[in-house]
Amino acid sequence: KQEVTQIPAALSVPEGENLVLNCSFTDSAIYNLQWFRQDPGKGLTSLLLIQSSQREQTSGRLNASLDKSSGRSTLYIAASQPGDSATYLCALLPSGSARQLTFGSGTQLTVLP
Amino acid sequence: DGGITQSPKYLFRKEGQNVTLSCEQNLNHDAMYWYRQDPGQGLRLIYYSQIVNDFQKGDIAEGYSVSREKKESFPLTVTSAQKNPTAFYLCASSLPREGRTGYTFGSGTRLTVV
Repeated sequence: KQEVTQIPAALSVPEGENLVLNCSFTDSAIYNLQWFRQDPGKGLTSLLLIQSSQREQTSGRLNASLDKSSGRSTLYIAASQPGDSATYLCALLPSGSARQLTFGSGTQLTVLP
Repeated sequence: DGGITQSPKYLFRKEGQNVTLSCEQNLNHDAMYWYRQDPGQGLRLIYYSQIVNDFQKGDIAEGYSVSREKKESFPLTVTSAQKNPTAFYLCASSLPREGRTGYTFGSGTRLTVV
């Protein structure tokens, strides 16, 4: 069974710092990987989607990478801002017939002004 | 703009009462999903539907029921058989796998037992 781990569970950084959030998984047979952001009491907002054939995706200050061979994905946030404070979740869709996302437990990010 | 609408935002249930959470999407997505989120436990799949008039149980379906009579709508009923329903419920949708656009989530419904 696919297991998804996000470390650290919580991270606090000063404004302006570049940071990396980690997501590791145990089964490399994935169809795609999606990074989400969740603000307190809100739904999930999709940030980036990486297909299994891709190595990375970029959107503004965000860059996500995927290395299936090592079972890792990273979300890089450049020049962090207080508005980036949220919980960040990674989720994997398996390449088999099951259509169920497997979620990590998230990293709670706080960017201090 | 297309998206997913969940209602109500907050819902209170008395003991022994059934309640229904609404989920509507105008993204023309075939597949829809219900997740439950509890603090410290992440998201868990309750039910999913890949096509109208068909749905499948997820990991924690006991005490819940769904219907999929229309492509746009996937309501979730929390029955009295669900002993611990207090949680944050999220609805999502996606195209078939070939669509390659990932999942879109609604804004959630917070259910509290009173």
